[in-house]
Amino acid sequence: NAGVMQNPRHLVRRRGQEARLRCSPMKGHSHVYWYRQLPEEGLKFMVYLQKENIIDESGMPKERFSAEFPKEGPSILRIQQVVRGDSAAYFCASSPETDTQYFGPGTRLTVL
Amino acid sequence: GESVGLHLPTLSVQEGDNSIINCAYSNSASDYFIWYKQESGKGPQFIIDIRSNMDKRQGQRVTVLLNKTVKHLSLQIAATQPGDSAVYFCAEASGAGSYQLTFGKGTKLSVIP
Repeated sequence: NAGVMQNPRHLVRRRGQEARLRCSPMKGHSHVYWYRQLPEEGLKFMVYLQKENIIDESGMPKERFSAEFPKEGPSILRIQQVVRGDSAAYFCASSPETDTQYFGPGTRLTVL
Repeated sequence: GESVGLHLPTLSVQEGDNSIINCAYSNSASDYFIWYKQESGKGPQFIIDIRSNMDKRQGQRVTVLLNKTVKHLSLQIAATQPGDSAVYFCAEASGAGSYQLTFGKGTKLSVIP
């Protein structure tokens, strides 16, 4: 049973470009969570999704950030018009119910 | 505001010794706690969890202790091995359904061979 998959693992963008981060949950998991981690800090909750629904986006910046989890395909975290402050590691986690969350390897975003 | 924090930012132990990593939390309403291990360049790896109706839970070489009176959580690793070297995070689950994890800053464990 493959774990949570994230791609790309590393992403470099210039200021003003768009970043798309993908997450495929573990098989059988219908709950997806996104977290952001700054260097030497803990992870910060961003958003919680189920298939085709955003359940809680209280941790997500109001502008430029969006997330989706379509009926088919991976969950996408989208950051428009990236700025240097968006540079961080973005982790996706999944769970079968609102239970133990299993994390993917993360996408490290660098904004030049 | 509510927060989860760690007493010690770094911990060095001799291989074979036991390690104890501590965590303080401030949200007395939290009912679910998890320890994660994060190796360099990787995502957090689940180690062990505990619910607030328990004081202690044991896994393979690891034990989590929960003291609700002083809002303190600890992770004990028996016979620490070089492969245990990593950053350890405690996380507190809050929100409806206990899904929104709040992480502390982490403790870096270094095992001396």
